[in-house]
Amino acid sequence: AQSVTQPDIHITVSEGASLELRCNYSYGATPYLFWYVQSPGQGLQLLLKYFSGDTLVQGIKGFEAEFKRSQSSFNLRKPSVHWSDAAEYFCAVGAILTGGGNKLTFGTGTQLKVEL
Amino acid sequence: EAGVTQFPSHSVIEKGQTVTLRCDPISGHDNLYWYRRVMGKEIKFLLHFVKESKQDESGMPNNRFLAERTGGTYSTLKVQPAELEDSGVYFCASSQDLGISWNEQFFGPGTRLTVL
Repeated sequence: AQSVTQPDIHITVSEGASLELRCNYSYGATPYLFWYVQSPGQGLQLLLKYFSGDTLVQGIKGFEAEFKRSQSSFNLRKPSVHWSDAAEYFCAVGAILTGGGNKLTFGTGTQLKVEL
Repeated sequence: EAGVTQFPSHSVIEKGQTVTLRCDPISGHDNLYWYRRVMGKEIKFLLHFVKESKQDESGMPNNRFLAERTGGTYSTLKVQPAELEDSGVYFCASSQDLGISWNEQFFGPGTRLTVL
Protein backbone atom coordinates (compact mmCIF):
# COMPACT_ATOMS: atom_id res chain seq x y z
CA ALA A 1 0.00 0.00 0.00
CA GLN A 2 1.15 3.49 -0.70
CA SER A 3 2.15 5.92 2.04
CA VAL A 4 3.50 9.45 2.33
CA THR A 5 5.74 10.92 4.99
CA GLN A 6 6.14 14.60 5.66
CA PRO A 7 8.71 14.75 8.44
CA ASP A 8 8.26 18.42 9.28
CA ILE A 9 5.04 19.29 11.08
CA HIS A 10 5.84 23.00 11.39
CA ILE A 11 8.31 25.19 9.52
CA THR A 12 8.98 28.89 10.03
CA VAL A 13 10.84 30.97 7.46
CA SER A 14 11.44 34.66 6.99
CA GLU A 15 9.79 36.43 4.11
CA GLY A 16 12.15 36.40 1.14
CA ALA A 17 13.99 33.32 2.31
CA SER A 18 14.04 30.09 0.36
CA LEU A 19 11.81 27.16 1.29
CA GLU A 20 12.03 23.41 1.00
CA LEU A 21 9.31 21.10 2.28
CA ARG A 22 10.19 17.45 2.44
CA CYS A 23 8.11 14.55 1.23
CA ASN A 24 8.93 10.86 1.00
CA TYR A 25 6.60 8.30 -0.48
CA SER A 26 6.22 4.57 -0.66
CA TYR A 27 4.65 3.14 -3.79
CA GLY A 28 5.27 0.02 -5.84
CA ALA A 29 5.08 1.51 -9.31
CA THR A 30 5.84 4.87 -10.88
CA PRO A 31 3.84 7.18 -8.70
CA TYR A 32 1.53 10.02 -9.44
CA LEU A 33 2.75 12.71 -7.03
CA PHE A 34 1.09 15.91 -5.91
CA TRP A 35 1.49 18.90 -3.67
CA TYR A 36 -1.60 20.65 -2.34
CA VAL A 37 -1.93 23.79 -0.25
CA GLN A 38 -4.70 24.69 2.16
CA SER A 39 -5.16 28.25 3.32
CA PRO A 40 -7.52 28.98 6.22
CA GLY A 41 -11.15 28.59 5.19
CA GLN A 42 -10.21 27.30 1.76
CA GLY A 43 -10.26 23.92 0.14
CA LEU A 44 -7.17 22.05 -0.91
CA GLN A 45 -5.62 23.67 -3.96
CA LEU A 46 -3.35 21.78 -6.31
CA LEU A 47 0.10 23.38 -6.55
CA LEU A 48 1.74 20.94 -8.91
CA LYS A 49 1.87 17.32 -9.99
CA TYR A 50 4.30 14.78 -11.38
CA PHE A 51 3.27 11.91 -13.60
CA SER A 52 6.31 11.21 -15.75
CA GLY A 53 9.00 12.90 -17.80
CA ASP A 54 11.08 15.81 -16.54
CA THR A 55 11.72 15.25 -12.86
CA LEU A 56 11.62 18.96 -12.04
CA VAL A 57 8.07 20.24 -12.25
CA GLN A 58 6.83 23.76 -12.04
CA GLY A 59 3.62 24.74 -10.35
CA ILE A 60 1.54 27.74 -9.51
CA LYS A 61 2.61 30.58 -7.22
CA GLY A 62 6.29 30.09 -8.05
CA PHE A 63 6.58 26.62 -6.52
CA GLU A 64 8.55 23.75 -7.97
CA ALA A 65 9.20 20.17 -6.92
CA GLU A 66 11.77 17.57 -7.85
CA PHE A 67 11.06 13.87 -8.15
CA LYS A 68 13.99 11.72 -7.05
CA ARG A 69 13.24 8.05 -7.56
CA SER A 70 16.41 6.87 -5.84
CA GLN A 71 15.40 8.70 -2.67
CA SER A 72 11.64 8.19 -3.02
CA SER A 73 11.29 11.90 -2.50
CA PHE A 74 9.26 14.73 -3.98
CA ASN A 75 10.36 17.85 -2.16
CA LEU A 76 8.65 21.18 -2.70
CA ARG A 77 10.73 24.32 -3.13
CA LYS A 78 10.32 28.02 -3.55
CA PRO A 79 13.26 30.42 -3.99
CA SER A 80 11.68 33.36 -2.16
CA VAL A 81 8.73 33.00 0.18
CA HIS A 82 5.99 35.60 0.44
CA TRP A 83 3.89 36.24 3.53
CA SER A 84 0.85 34.99 1.61
CA ASP A 85 2.46 31.54 1.35
CA ALA A 86 1.68 30.88 5.01
CA ALA A 87 -0.60 27.84 4.88
CA GLU A 88 -0.60 24.09 5.32
CA TYR A 89 1.02 22.01 2.62
CA PHE A 90 0.19 18.41 1.81
CA CYS A 91 2.12 15.94 -0.27
CA ALA A 92 0.11 13.12 -1.82
CA VAL A 93 0.51 10.04 -3.97
CA GLY A 94 -2.23 8.98 -6.34
CA ALA A 95 -3.51 5.56 -7.28
CA ILE A 96 -5.96 4.46 -9.91
CA LEU A 97 -8.91 2.57 -8.44
CA THR A 98 -9.90 -0.72 -10.01
CA GLY A 99 -13.46 0.44 -10.49
CA GLY A 100 -12.33 3.65 -12.13
CA GLY A 101 -11.54 6.93 -10.50
CA ASN A 102 -8.53 7.91 -8.48
CA LYS A 103 -7.52 7.85 -4.84
CA LEU A 104 -5.14 10.20 -3.08
CA THR A 105 -3.02 9.19 -0.10
CA PHE A 106 -1.82 12.19 1.82
CA GLY A 107 0.94 12.95 4.25
CA THR A 108 0.21 14.56 7.60
CA GLY A 109 0.90 18.05 6.28
CA THR A 110 3.46 20.77 7.01
CA GLN A 111 2.27 24.03 8.54
CA LEU A 112 4.29 26.93 7.12
CA LYS A 113 4.63 30.15 9.07
CA VAL A 114 6.21 33.18 7.42
CA GLU A 115 7.86 35.81 9.57
CA LEU A 116 7.84 39.36 8.26
CA GLU B 1 -18.01 28.28 -12.44
CA ALA B 2 -18.81 27.38 -8.84
CA GLY B 3 -16.39 25.12 -7.04
CA VAL B 4 -17.13 22.24 -4.73
CA THR B 5 -19.28 23.40 -1.85
CA GLN B 6 -19.85 21.76 1.50
CA PHE B 7 -22.42 22.36 4.18
CA PRO B 8 -22.24 23.06 7.03
CA SER B 9 -18.80 24.56 7.46
CA HIS B 10 -18.83 23.65 11.14
CA SER B 11 -20.93 21.28 13.20
CA VAL B 12 -20.79 20.68 16.92
CA ILE B 13 -22.83 17.76 18.24
CA GLU B 14 -22.94 15.54 21.27
CA LYS B 15 -21.91 11.94 21.32
CA GLY B 16 -24.76 9.73 20.22
CA GLN B 17 -26.40 12.32 17.99
CA THR B 18 -26.73 12.15 14.23
CA VAL B 19 -25.10 14.53 11.77
CA THR B 20 -25.46 14.80 8.01
CA LEU B 21 -22.83 16.49 5.91
CA ARG B 22 -23.56 17.64 2.41
CA CYS B 23 -21.35 18.05 -0.63
CA ASP B 24 -22.24 19.69 -3.92
CA PRO B 25 -19.68 18.81 -6.59
CA ILE B 26 -18.79 20.89 -9.59
CA SER B 27 -21.54 20.57 -12.17
CA GLY B 28 -20.85 17.78 -14.64
CA HIS B 29 -18.35 15.97 -12.43
CA ASP B 30 -19.28 12.30 -12.28
CA ASN B 31 -16.64 11.38 -9.71
CA LEU B 32 -17.19 12.38 -6.12
CA TYR B 33 -14.90 11.57 -3.22
CA TRP B 34 -15.06 11.90 0.54
CA TYR B 35 -11.94 12.25 2.66
CA ARG B 36 -11.45 12.85 6.37
CA ARG B 37 -8.72 14.40 8.46
CA VAL B 38 -8.64 13.56 12.11
CA MET B 39 -6.72 16.19 14.08
CA GLY B 40 -2.98 15.90 13.65
CA LYS B 41 -3.25 13.01 11.26
CA GLU B 42 -3.20 12.65 7.51
CA ILE B 43 -6.17 13.22 5.21
CA LYS B 44 -7.65 9.80 4.55
CA PHE B 45 -9.78 8.53 1.69
CA LEU B 46 -13.25 7.38 2.72
CA LEU B 47 -15.10 6.53 -0.47
CA HIS B 48 -15.66 7.22 -4.14
CA PHE B 49 -18.84 7.60 -6.18
CA VAL B 50 -19.22 7.44 -9.91
CA LYS B 51 -22.51 9.17 -10.53
CA GLU B 52 -24.86 7.55 -8.01
CA SER B 53 -22.88 4.31 -7.60
CA LYS B 54 -20.39 3.62 -4.84
CA GLN B 55 -17.25 2.39 -6.55
CA ASP B 56 -14.93 2.10 -3.59
CA GLU B 57 -15.86 2.48 0.06
CA SER B 58 -12.81 0.79 1.47
CA GLY B 59 -11.95 3.78 3.65
CA MET B 60 -15.26 4.01 5.50
CA PRO B 61 -14.39 3.48 9.17
CA ASN B 62 -17.46 1.50 10.23
CA ASN B 63 -21.17 1.04 9.67
CA ARG B 64 -22.05 4.21 11.58
CA PHE B 65 -21.14 6.06 8.39
CA LEU B 66 -23.53 6.13 5.45
CA ALA B 67 -22.85 7.96 2.22
CA GLU B 68 -25.38 8.53 -0.51
CA ARG B 69 -25.47 10.27 -3.83
CA THR B 70 -29.02 10.20 -5.07
CA GLY B 71 -29.41 11.16 -8.71
CA GLY B 72 -25.68 11.45 -9.14
CA THR B 73 -25.56 15.08 -8.08
CA TYR B 74 -24.96 16.11 -4.48
CA SER B 75 -23.83 13.68 -1.83
CA THR B 76 -24.52 13.30 1.86
CA LEU B 77 -22.46 11.64 4.54
CA LYS B 78 -24.41 10.68 7.63
CA VAL B 79 -22.82 9.69 10.92
CA GLN B 80 -25.20 7.86 13.25
CA PRO B 81 -24.59 7.70 16.15
CA ALA B 82 -21.59 10.00 16.34
CA GLU B 83 -18.65 9.07 18.56
CA LEU B 84 -15.85 11.25 19.91
CA GLU B 85 -13.32 9.78 17.47
CA ASP B 86 -15.43 10.97 14.52
CA SER B 87 -14.30 14.55 15.16
CA GLY B 88 -12.27 15.97 12.32
CA VAL B 89 -12.53 17.75 9.01
CA TYR B 90 -14.47 16.04 6.26
CA PHE B 91 -13.46 16.99 2.73
CA CYS B 92 -15.34 16.38 -0.45
CA ALA B 93 -13.75 16.41 -3.88
CA SER B 94 -15.02 15.95 -7.40
CA SER B 95 -13.54 15.29 -10.80
CA GLN B 96 -14.61 14.83 -14.35
CA ASP B 97 -14.33 11.53 -16.14
CA LEU B 98 -12.21 12.37 -19.16
CA GLY B 99 -11.32 8.79 -19.99
CA ILE B 100 -7.72 9.32 -18.98
CA SER B 101 -5.81 7.72 -16.14
CA TRP B 102 -5.81 10.73 -13.85
CA ASN B 103 -8.56 13.33 -13.54
CA GLU B 104 -7.76 16.24 -11.25
CA GLN B 105 -9.73 16.28 -8.04
CA PHE B 106 -11.14 19.63 -6.93
CA PHE B 107 -11.67 19.97 -3.21
CA GLY B 108 -14.26 21.74 -1.14
CA PRO B 109 -13.38 23.75 1.98
CA GLY B 110 -14.34 20.92 4.30
CA THR B 111 -16.78 20.51 7.17
CA ARG B 112 -15.28 20.65 10.63
CA LEU B 113 -17.14 18.18 12.86
CA THR B 114 -16.72 18.31 16.62
CA VAL B 115 -18.28 15.57 18.72
CA LEU B 116 -18.48 16.40 22.43
